[in-house]
Amino acid sequence: QKEVEQDPGPLSVPEGAIVSLNCTYSNSAFQYFMWYRQYSRKGPELLMYTYSSGNKEDGRFTAQVDKSSKYISLFIRDSQPSDSATYLCAMSDGLRGYQKVTFGTGTKLQVIP
Amino acid sequence: SAVISQKPSRDICQRGTSLTIQCQVDSQVTMMFWYRQQPGQSLTLIATANQGSEATYESGFVIDKFPISRPNLTFSTLTVSNMSPEDSSIYLCSVEATGVYTFGSGTRLTVV
Repeated sequence: QKEVEQDPGPLSVPEGAIVSLNCTYSNSAFQYFMWYRQYSRKGPELLMYTYSSGNKEDGRFTAQVDKSSKYISLFIRDSQPSDSATYLCAMSDGLRGYQKVTFGTGTKLQVIP
Repeated sequence: SAVISQKPSRDICQRGTSLTIQCQVDSQVTMMFWYRQQPGQSLTLIATANQGSEATYESGFVIDKFPISRPNLTFSTLTVSNMSPEDSSIYLCSVEATGVYTFGSGTRLTVV
């Protein structure tokens, strides 16, 4: 079993839709959760990070962590064509760079105008 | 967050040759990380590079195949040696600061 599982998609939605991206994990030591967005031919860029269960909101994006279920989600409201990208979840067991970060395989999202 | 310049952005190489990828950061960082991203696969950590010491390699990666240099706190190189088609991938460098990981734009390597 992989430490982090992520539905690869692709996911295709109409503009304005609410998008839900999800990851499950098996390592209960993970405490630090991140979402990255990767446009084609670019490196991943950090969207959001959180280190506690619950919700964290930033504009149209909401990150949700449920440690009891080992499940994290990223919600995108009012999706835009510019949101079309691959979204990677990532997690580690610490805040600093000395702990290894484990990534999901990424979900490819296409928002259709 | 740090800004990373990575080059080359892409290359097509003959099998058996080597390619050196460079990563320049606009600020001093203690650790730099090298990742490989294969199609349909998650980012896989190759090694962690500290300035002034040997890089630490992850399971499945060895120094002879992926030698790394870290001459100062803003620069690192990764060499992919004696390449085979299986080495075709995207290679990314990354740095961490206050819990935020920043990535370079990647090097898309094709080995023919």
